[in-house]
Amino acid sequence: DTGVSQDPRHKITKRGQNVTFRCDPISEHNRLYWYRQTLGQGPEFLTYFQNEAQLEKSRLLSDRFSAERPKGSFSTLEIQRTEQGDSAMYLCASWGGRGRETQYFGPGTRLLVL
Amino acid sequence: DQQVKQNSPSLSVQEGRISILNCDYTNSMFDYFLWYKKYPAEGPTFLISISSIKDKNEDGRFTVFLNKSAKHLSLHIVPSQPGDSAVYFCAASEGDDKIIFGKGTRLHILP
Repeated sequence: DTGVSQDPRHKITKRGQNVTFRCDPISEHNRLYWYRQTLGQGPEFLTYFQNEAQLEKSRLLSDRFSAERPKGSFSTLEIQRTEQGDSAMYLCASWGGRGRETQYFGPGTRLLVL
Repeated sequence: DQQVKQNSPSLSVQEGRISILNCDYTNSMFDYFLWYKKYPAEGPTFLISISSIKDKNEDGRFTVFLNKSAKHLSLHIVPSQPGDSAVYFCAASEGDDKIIFGKGTRLHILP
């Protein structure tokens, strides 16, 4: 257990539905990252927050995706009008800033879009 | 355009022998390299790292070697143990920027 939790762990949805995932980082960590991992690939960066500010978004993050981190604590990732290509593992990581090795990953949310 | 490449999707090694996992990168601005280990249904966990100013870092059974001129790094595990069976991701970053991952190598430790 890294101290980073994600909810839900699994989500099955029908194409066109909206889904929302939550990440609770390690409490004193000010930076939070979202990654997506598809089969046979490594985690791919989506976006990150420094406290409540979203500082960078990958071109992978289409306009159907939105992420928030109100009050600089937990974060949510919403996917609107899901497509089958959105099926993936969505990983959250928090970073305490002392060294790159201190980026801790949560267990991930596995999304299946039917 | 893959900046971090792991060209071996899988590797099988006899228990007790040395496991060598390889990784190549293209971005010469990367200054920090990491290896992560991942079990099924879990997030990646940090294993070992190396700064670009070093060419070797050792932590117990794990050693990472960096060859900057060849833009190549490798992870050595010796001796290999059954619990080492997992997917290993090579990763790199530039400054405090995001981490870029390779596709991973699945390591099987054979009894």
